[in-house]
Amino acid sequence: QSVLTQPPSVSAAPGQRVTISCSGSSSNIGFHFVFWYRQLPGTAPKLLIYDDYRRPSGIPDRFSGSKSGSSATLDITGLQTGDEADYYCATWDTSLGAGVFGTGTKVTVL
Amino acid sequence: QVQLVESGGGMVQSGRSLTISCAASGFTFNTYGMHWVRQAPGKGPEWVAAITYDGTNKFYSDSVKGRFTISRDNPRNTLHLQMSSLGPEDTAVYYCAKDSVTFLEYFSSLHIDFWGQGALVTVSS
Repeated sequence: QSVLTQPPSVSAAPGQRVTISCSGSSSNIGFHFVFWYRQLPGTAPKLLIYDDYRRPSGIPDRFSGSKSGSSATLDITGLQTGDEADYYCATWDTSLGAGVFGTGTKVTVL
Repeated sequence: QVQLVESGGGMVQSGRSLTISCAASGFTFNTYGMHWVRQAPGKGPEWVAAITYDGTNKFYSDSVKGRFTISRDNPRNTLHLQMSSLGPEDTAVYYCAKDSVTFLEYFSSLHIDFWGQGALVTVSS
């Protein structure tokens, strides 16, 4: 049972926008940077967003992250079929002294 | 380019031990912290353990604390995970993963920039 809660699934038509929430607490999201990973079936996760909102090189600006208090959000605009994947938030938890991943959200392009 | 190649996965009986390893190349191994992250079939990633660049500090998830040991051999650019008292709940693909920050003496983030291809560990009851 993860300490970071995400909606199990979100969906939208191509070109539309989806928002994925990640809810935590003051010991994790409220205190540490948030990271977002995307995972395609059979492959390792890939970093999408780091330090709450920064994008690694090569990640398009259609992907954006934000944080407020103990919650974080990943926005994907201009949705493409290639965006169908599982998305996970992640951070460190001071109380646990451990890394934590969110429960994961499956993005479906209708 | 950065490469992380896991080895040592396989099938093991419940209660037994297994060690998996990760051969690193393409970066200065002894300056980066390293993680093990696992993923059970049909589930999301679960962070397992991390070790600082020099091996001084180690961190574990509650689910493996006392059973798993993370270690590194910097001259050989290799990361290890010794797993004991294995149970069916430990069945997963185990990923070796590189932290993005150099010379960390403790962890306060989960900033992983490279992952291995994963090693499957199956624990039979």
